[in-house]
Amino acid sequence: GNSVTQMEGPVTLSEEAFLTINCTYTATGYPSLFWYVQYPGEGLQLLLKATKADDKGSNKGFEATYRKETTSFHLEKGSVQVSDSAVYFCALSLYNQGGKLIFGQGTELSVKP
Amino acid sequence: GAVVSQHPSRVICKSGTSVKIECRSLDFQATTMFWYRQFPKQSLMLMATSNEGSKATYEQGVEKDKFLINHASLTLSTLTVTSAHPEDSSFYICSASMGPEQPQHFGDGTRLSIL
Repeated sequence: GNSVTQMEGPVTLSEEAFLTINCTYTATGYPSLFWYVQYPGEGLQLLLKATKADDKGSNKGFEATYRKETTSFHLEKGSVQVSDSAVYFCALSLYNQGGKLIFGQGTELSVKP
Repeated sequence: GAVVSQHPSRVICKSGTSVKIECRSLDFQATTMFWYRQFPKQSLMLMATSNEGSKATYEQGVEKDKFLINHASLTLSTLTVTSAHPEDSSFYICSASMGPEQPQHFGDGTRLSIL
């Protein structure tokens, strides 16, 4: 079946540290891949996306590269800020599934000053 | 652009009450809307997909008579939790897209607490 697996949280970092949140997927077709961010008590915001192999999505200093050979879409940021503290969700959608998103379990990030 | 408004943001009510949650796309026409449920510290679970003017498609295990979904216009979908019980307490989130293969834009969620 189709699924997304993320590294477990919580992840605690100091401000300006380097961030990596691992995400791997299993899919029967060729998925589009997404990272969403959820701040406390709010819905989800699209952070970045990639629709085909080797595409790199980037936004607000975050980036992730669609790696078909390793079925991965790891999220990275060179220097995190306290305001980046949130829960990050990796997700995939398949073209023939009507746009349904399949989410990973989420990774909580806490950035300390 | 692509703003989705969800209302109410929080509701507390007694067991047995029916609760309606609204999801509106403010600046685009949403031909497809999705309803999710999220338990504390967990991921989002898709409950149903609704396309404007047609019946919602429910995911396996979701009771369609319990969670009534209406998508009567291109800017509004509603989820009604009928005869709610404490186990229905959760965070419900909607999303809307301009088509089944278009990006989803999420509302801010509704915290439902049943006493």
